[in-house]
Formats: sequence, structure tokens, C-alpha cells
Amino acid sequence: DQQVKQNSPSLSVQEGRISILNCDYTNSMFDYFLWYKKYPAEGPTFLISISSIKDKNEDGRFTVFLNKSAKHLSLHIVPSQPGDSAVYFCAASAGGNYGQNFVFGPGTRLSVLP
Amino acid sequence: DGGITQSPKYLFRKEGQNVTLSCEQNLNHDAMYWYRQDPGQGLRLIYYSQIVNDFQKGDIAEGYSVSREKKESFPLTVTSAQKNPTAFYLCASSIHPISMDTEAFFGQGTRLTVV
Repeated sequence: DQQVKQNSPSLSVQEGRISILNCDYTNSMFDYFLWYKKYPAEGPTFLISISSIKDKNEDGRFTVFLNKSAKHLSLHIVPSQPGDSAVYFCAASAGGNYGQNFVFGPGTRLSVLP
Repeated sequence: DGGITQSPKYLFRKEGQNVTLSCEQNLNHDAMYWYRQDPGQGLRLIYYSQIVNDFQKGDIAEGYSVSREKKESFPLTVTSAQKNPTAFYLCASSIHPISMDTEAFFGQGTRLTVV
């Protein structure tokens, strides 16, 4: 049973519009969340994080929202650019930022169309 | 250039054979990790090491073994006891165990196919 779910395997968005990638989790003890981005033939790279004491974290075009009561996390990309086309992984930990504690979702493939 | 390297990118083995996947980093990172990814599933932790000469089992360690004799190297052996070894394997490192965000790096992965 997956503790971290990304129910949309893929998403297509027009360039300049908003991309919203969703992540749901089942473990109420998760207290730290990460988003990674992965291009083909490359390893995942860190994008943005949020701890459970916050409900929003922003970094340039990327904003992560955390709704603890709904156990839901979302990543907003505004405006979307073709270079954002990649697979996005959500990861959650019940023990802070310790690497071994993270549980990863299956990923969502984002395609930004020019 | 600093980085983390996995080799080979594709690997084919016959059923019943052990196979070793290489992971090397020159980032001077203390912590290293091995993950497995299957279609439709997230990355699952196989083994991790927080420091040289020490490693711990992750969620799916059965049928796998590792060593950490050098800081820069964390090879993963897929043994014949692993019932379903065909998968995509990712290695990662972080500067220390409590930094999976800005200071963690992943390799490109090895796709292992057992026939």
C-alpha cells in the first residue's frame, strides 16, 4: 500500500499557464516533504521542500502548498515553460530531513507545450 | 567535475547469477543510498549508509547486499535470492544523513534486466 500517491501519471499544460502537480499521503506522521524533478537520462534533482510547520513555500516560479488536514501537497509552477517538462516526484518523511526516512511517490510526467 | 556516477546504464544478467551495480561519488558525501523503482511505484529504499564501514537495511533489503569500504563507493549486489530483480536502480548521496534537499544528488540509474 503506497503511503505517497501521485494519482496523475501525466499532465499536459500550455506554455505560460499554471501547472499544478498533486501528491496525497496517508501517514499523518509525515513532517517534511520534498519535490524532485527528473529529466530523461538524468538523476532526480531537488526542487523545493516544505516542513509541516508551514503551509506554503515559494521559490521563484515554484510554490508548494501543504494541507495537513487533507494530507495533500501540491506543486504550482507559474508560468510554465517548456524546460519544465520532466517527471516530478513527491517525497515525504516522518523523521525530518533524514534521507533514509523518505517515501517517494511514483511521479507525474509534466509536458509543457509551446 | 563533482558528481555521482552509476555504471553501467543497462545491465543484462541470467537468472540465478549475482550482479553488482556500481555507484561512485567524488562529492565527499558521508551518506549514500540505493533505491529501486518499478513501473507505477515510487522509489523504494534498499540500503543506506551514513558513514564509511556502516550500512543499514532499508525497506526492501532482502536479496541484496552492499559494502561501504570507501567513502566514495557504495556498490550494490543483487543476489540470486532476490525474487524479482528486474528494475531500475538509483543511487544517491547527501553531504550528511540529514540533508536530502539541497545537498543530495542522484545518479543516472542502472536498468537491470534478468532473463
